[in-house]
Amino acid sequence: QLQLQESGPGLVKPSETLSLNCRVSGGSINRANYYWAWIRQPPGKGLEWIGNIHYTGDTYFNPSLKSRVTISGDTSKNQFSLRLTSVTAADTAVYYCARLDFWSSETKEANWFAPWGQGTLVTVSS
Amino acid sequence: SSELTQDPAVSVALGQTVTITCQGDSLRSYYATWYKQKPGQAPILVIFRRNDRPSGIPDRFSGSSSGNTATLSIAGAQAEDEADYYCHSRNSSDNSVVFGGGTKLTVL
Repeated sequence: QLQLQESGPGLVKPSETLSLNCRVSGGSINRANYYWAWIRQPPGKGLEWIGNIHYTGDTYFNPSLKSRVTISGDTSKNQFSLRLTSVTAADTAVYYCARLDFWSSETKEANWFAPWGQGTLVTVSS
Repeated sequence: SSELTQDPAVSVALGQTVTITCQGDSLRSYYATWYKQKPGQAPILVIFRRNDRPSGIPDRFSGSSSGNTATLSIAGAQAEDEADYYCHSRNSSDNSVVFGGGTKLTVL
């Protein structure tokens, strides 16, 4: 059974860099069929997609965060990572990692996040 | 537009059927995916790829779409269905992912 687990500091100072890891167990990230994603949720608010990475290194980012985000993969450790620079209080959120699957037919496409990690709260405060 | 619009809150009497909608231009090209999230928990996938359910999701959950609107239906809502529900799709212009704002479902 595929499982994802986020890890990293729970407190980051303003203007510093947020760094999180997502360890994947029960399956390899070296799969052409999937991307690996970061999603966040500020307290009491909705979900916000941060970005995806493929094991080939192909990445996609939320345009509103793109200038501050790096997502990288480590196939030897079967994990992928998030770096978010110049953080402010607005970056306080529960950060989730997830696998992104995708499918297409002649007329429509679909993609879905599953499974998700349990999430880790990162607070930006001095 | 890359936005997905959901009603903030919906309520349903126990055992009745409820629908939760998601609107957005991207839904003309992409099927909506639906997630359920209970307080303090990670979201879980409930509907994907037209009307597929992951194992463990009851068959009272179903999905449909028409034009720019996707609908999640729960037939015979149970107390444990009370949660926030989010739709998700993809913006074809830039390959970005977009989530709806979420719908809080209350089971009365």
